[in-house]
Amino acid sequence: AQSVTQLDSQVPVFEEAPVELRCNYSSSVSVYLFWYVQYPNQGLQLLLKYLSGSTLVKGINGFEAEFNKSQTSFHLRKPSVHISDTAEYFCAVSDPTGGFKTIFGAGTRLFVKA
Amino acid sequence: DTEVTQTPKHLVMGMTNKKSLKCEQHMGHRAMYWYKQKAKKPPELMFVYSYEKLSINESVPSRFSPECPNSSLLNLHLHALQPEDSALYLCASSQEIGQRSQPQHFGDGTRLSIL
Repeated sequence: AQSVTQLDSQVPVFEEAPVELRCNYSSSVSVYLFWYVQYPNQGLQLLLKYLSGSTLVKGINGFEAEFNKSQTSFHLRKPSVHISDTAEYFCAVSDPTGGFKTIFGAGTRLFVKA
Repeated sequence: DTEVTQTPKHLVMGMTNKKSLKCEQHMGHRAMYWYKQKAKKPPELMFVYSYEKLSINESVPSRFSPECPNSSLLNLHLHALQPEDSALYLCASSQEIGQRSQPQHFGDGTRLSIL
């Protein structure tokens, strides 16, 4: 069965510093990968997705992620964070062997400090 | 502005009450989902509808009853809930379930409290 591991439950960072949120997945087949953000009292919003093609994916709000098949990783990065980036971030994988259900990681709480 | 609209935003109900959660989307999506999310946890899939037919039921207790009256609407009927059912209930939609997976569009959820 598919699984998604987000290696950090919380990431505190100062404003304007770079950040990387780590995500690893387990799969022996091609998968589709997503990063979602959830702000307080809101639903999930898609940041970016990897379906195929270029391994560097650019998303909204200045975020990008790099797909690494050999390391089965899909880490999320931003070169300079803002206070408004404080939120919960979920890595997710779509499993073609599981009826295309979306499997979510446990989430990483990004806390940006002034 | 979210493209998936959920009502109500908040709901408090007793264990003997019957209530319904509603979800609406006008993006022409043919797959719709119900998720349950507890605090500081990822969403847990409950149900998936594809072309208005129930496609996936993740062994959800029968006190939760989904309904898809048409391609734009999704309801979740609630009856005799337990305190542990208190959570944020999220609705989502995607183009379809098929050979290519598309991202899901989420509503802002209904925060449900069971007294």
